[in-house]
Amino acid sequence: AQSVTQPDIHITVSEGASLELRCNYSYGATPYLFWYVQSPGQGLQLLLKYFSGDTLVQGIKGFEAEFKRSQSSFNLRKPSVHWSDAAEYFCAVGRGFNKFYFGSGTKLNVKP
Amino acid sequence: NAGVTQTPKFQVLKTGQSMTLQCAQDMNHNSMYWYRQDPGMGLRLIYYSASEGTTDKGEVPNGYNVSRLNKREFSLRLESAAPSQTSVYFCASSDVFGQGIFQPQHFGDGTRLSIL
Repeated sequence: AQSVTQPDIHITVSEGASLELRCNYSYGATPYLFWYVQSPGQGLQLLLKYFSGDTLVQGIKGFEAEFKRSQSSFNLRKPSVHWSDAAEYFCAVGRGFNKFYFGSGTKLNVKP
Repeated sequence: NAGVTQTPKFQVLKTGQSMTLQCAQDMNHNSMYWYRQDPGMGLRLIYYSASEGTTDKGEVPNGYNVSRLNKREFSLRLESAAPSQTSVYFCASSDVFGQGIFQPQHFGDGTRLSIL
């Protein structure tokens, strides 16, 4: 079965603290991996993607993610969180003919 | 700089009513998608259209129909709305360069649909 797991439903961090959001997937081969962010009342915006090559990928807004094949993980990180980063974050996996499977999301709250 | 435009943004229906959600993209993308988003379940694919003239079922197609009117437009129809279809619906588009060669999807702002 195909699945994308985001084990943390809610996370709260203080402004300026570091952030790591977890994502695990279950597939046999290396999938195409994405992180999206959704602000309240908005659609999803692509933060970054991993197709192949360097396992550490840089995205927009200071985010990065690391693909670890041995752990089937693609965790999202940011060294210093800003209040504007409060949003919901979705990990997604691409398989087949441009079909995406999304995790259930992690809501990030940022304390001042 | 419109990207993906969905109409309407909000709608309330009564059980049994029909409705069509509209989606248009101005990025000349080949592929278009309809998702529903429910709390704690992420986004689930309802239908997609890999290219103009084709449509295919996604994970949760029951109760829905779609039409790829032309390259720009992809509509989603609820023939007889049910309370279980209360959700936020997102349209997305992407370019495709062949099977297994992914391009990121671009999303609209969503349609919030409530069925009483």
